[in-house]
Amino acid sequence: DGGITQSPKYLFRKEGQNVTLSCEQNLNHDAMYWYRQDPGQGLRLIYYSQIVNDFQKGDIAEGYSVSREKKESFPLTVTSAQKNPTAFYLCASKARGNNQPQHFGDGTRLSIL
Amino acid sequence: AQRVTQPEKLLSVFKGAPVELKCNYSYSGSPELFWYVQYSRQRLQLLLRHISRESIKGFTADLNKGETSFHLKKPFAQEEDSAMYYCALSGLGSEKLVFGKGTKLTVNP
Repeated sequence: DGGITQSPKYLFRKEGQNVTLSCEQNLNHDAMYWYRQDPGQGLRLIYYSQIVNDFQKGDIAEGYSVSREKKESFPLTVTSAQKNPTAFYLCASKARGNNQPQHFGDGTRLSIL
Repeated sequence: AQRVTQPEKLLSVFKGAPVELKCNYSYSGSPELFWYVQYSRQRLQLLLRHISRESIKGFTADLNKGETSFHLKKPFAQEEDSAMYYCALSGLGSEKLVFGKGTKLTVNP
């Protein structure tokens, strides 16, 4: 599904450094999401946005921040406050309405140096 | 609270055998249920949703409200079915999805 593009594919962070993960979609979807995927944990919701200039915390928002200045873009910043940032991060988008599926990007793997 | 339970982390079957991946949910309202699949080196993608009542790649899933289950079934597993499977729940009108922890299916030749 080339409609959602995440970059970079791999990212390395030094201790105490903030990093920003990019997510862009051309599906004209209103809602966008960030998940964290850890082995044996499934997908856990970090933040989501249902409309431009609005977003809500998910289940594990501490140490993360987002912005939604454009419909197409939903960048995620992993701050130095996130104590265990090493993970696989997935972005998704969804059309408005019931029973609409989420469409996922390829993910970004973040590692701490 | 919404919760999805996939009791099996790992499931291994032989090619041609039936397979059932279990999913139980907890939600007081009307749920919207989905199965997502992640093949090796591919992105997570929708397999099927309960509202569609369709069979995709030979898989079916029936919503059982009495047992609060949405098990995924296939009568004859194929090697290419080997993947990670996630069950997911959304409350009616909610824009959020709650995922189970996933079941890794391996189909042996």
